[in-house]
Amino acid sequence: ETGVTQTPRHLVMGMTNKKSLKCEQHLGHNAMYWYKQSAKKPLELMFVYSLEERVENNSVPSRFSPECPNSSHLFLHLHTLQPEDSALYLCASSQDRLFGTYGYTFGSGTRLTVV
Amino acid sequence: GQNIDQPTEMTATEGAIVQINCTYQTSGFNGLFWYQQHAGEAPTFLSYNVLDGLEEKGRFSSFLSRSKGYSYLLLKELQMKDSASYLCAVRDSNYQLIWGAGTKLIIKP
Repeated sequence: ETGVTQTPRHLVMGMTNKKSLKCEQHLGHNAMYWYKQSAKKPLELMFVYSLEERVENNSVPSRFSPECPNSSHLFLHLHTLQPEDSALYLCASSQDRLFGTYGYTFGSGTRLTVV
Repeated sequence: GQNIDQPTEMTATEGAIVQINCTYQTSGFNGLFWYQQHAGEAPTFLSYNVLDGLEEKGRFSSFLSRSKGYSYLLLKELQMKDSASYLCAVRDSNYQLIWGAGTKLIIKP
């Protein structure tokens, strides 16, 4: 399998649940990203990992917790979320943080609904 | 602050031509990207401009004017499968990507 794969595609969770989103890339890239996409809003960068080290955390609430165990895998652990956290969560990767002339390769996203 | 503006929604007819505009105000400039995103799918790379002028790639072309902070994506011979959202993004001086909210393009027969 090639590209960036995200699981699950859809997730419904209660505000007291704990769940995790998974992202896997098979492109040999060294940088991975979590983005939040809400309707009619620009993509919001949440976290950046470069060579498995977190290099950016854009004031994201602590109820979102990323994990990057190796350069191919990225997780987003979720707990005690709020309804306003309902959105499409996109994972992306790039060769490095400068991401050349091709930008990112995105996964298809996880559609998260918090009830 | 940094800002990318693009129309929220556009409608065009199959077989026609449509131009999607993007204006930006950013801290520095290190290139502009266009992505296509079909509903429920991953955004996919369309084009990259770093110098002024027109880049043509099949039915799609992208134009950049750095002095005006302006770009457009031109889609020719529109097909129904071109119905999607088109995202404009600028890489600033810190190599951060600043995103527009996207333009939803609706193609009618």
